[in-house]
Amino acid sequence: SQTIHQWPATLVQPVGSPLSLECTVEGTSNPNLYWYRQAAGRGLQLLFYSVGIGQISSEVPQNLSASRPQDRQFILSSKKLLLSDSGFYLCAWSTSFGYEQYFGPGTRLTVT
Amino acid sequence: ELKVEQNPLFLSMQEGKNYTIYCNYSTTSDRLYWYRQDPGKSLESLFVLLSNGAVKQEGRLMASLDTKARLSTLHITAAVHDLSATYFCAVDINDMRFGAGTRLTVKP
Repeated sequence: SQTIHQWPATLVQPVGSPLSLECTVEGTSNPNLYWYRQAAGRGLQLLFYSVGIGQISSEVPQNLSASRPQDRQFILSSKKLLLSDSGFYLCAWSTSFGYEQYFGPGTRLTVT
Repeated sequence: ELKVEQNPLFLSMQEGKNYTIYCNYSTTSDRLYWYRQDPGKSLESLFVLLSNGAVKQEGRLMASLDTKARLSTLHITAAVHDLSATYFCAVDINDMRFGAGTRLTVKP
């Protein structure tokens, strides 16, 4: 069966510090991978998606970036965090576009 | 641009009552998903609706899709406290767009 992991589970970082969140998927090959952000009490905003190694599409211009160094690994990064980057970051995978997405446990980021 | 609207955004109901959550979307699609999110937790897939007229039921929840009306409904029958959560619909065109969510509270 497929599983999706995210770490860390929670993170508190000062403004201006760097960020690296990791997402890994097990039990499937060549998944589509997605990064979402959820602000407190709000819906989900798609940040990035990837259809393969090294292939990243950005939905929202911002100070975040994503990379996919391996087939089942998706990383969300920032060089300098802003207060507005606080939120719940969710990674998801699907077998292809238009198919059900499965979500990881999430990382709660607080920028102070 | 695809817009997905849910209503109501907040719903407080008593145990045993019935209610319906609505999800409207602006662009033709025959793929609609319902997710549940408990406070502080990730999203859990509830229903996948892939054709006009699709109806799926799980326990006290039933979801339907009318692609011509661009409308999906999530019907709650005889609500119980365990159903308290936020429910999201999502529509997939070229990528998944989520509604703002309906925060459901079921009171005894």
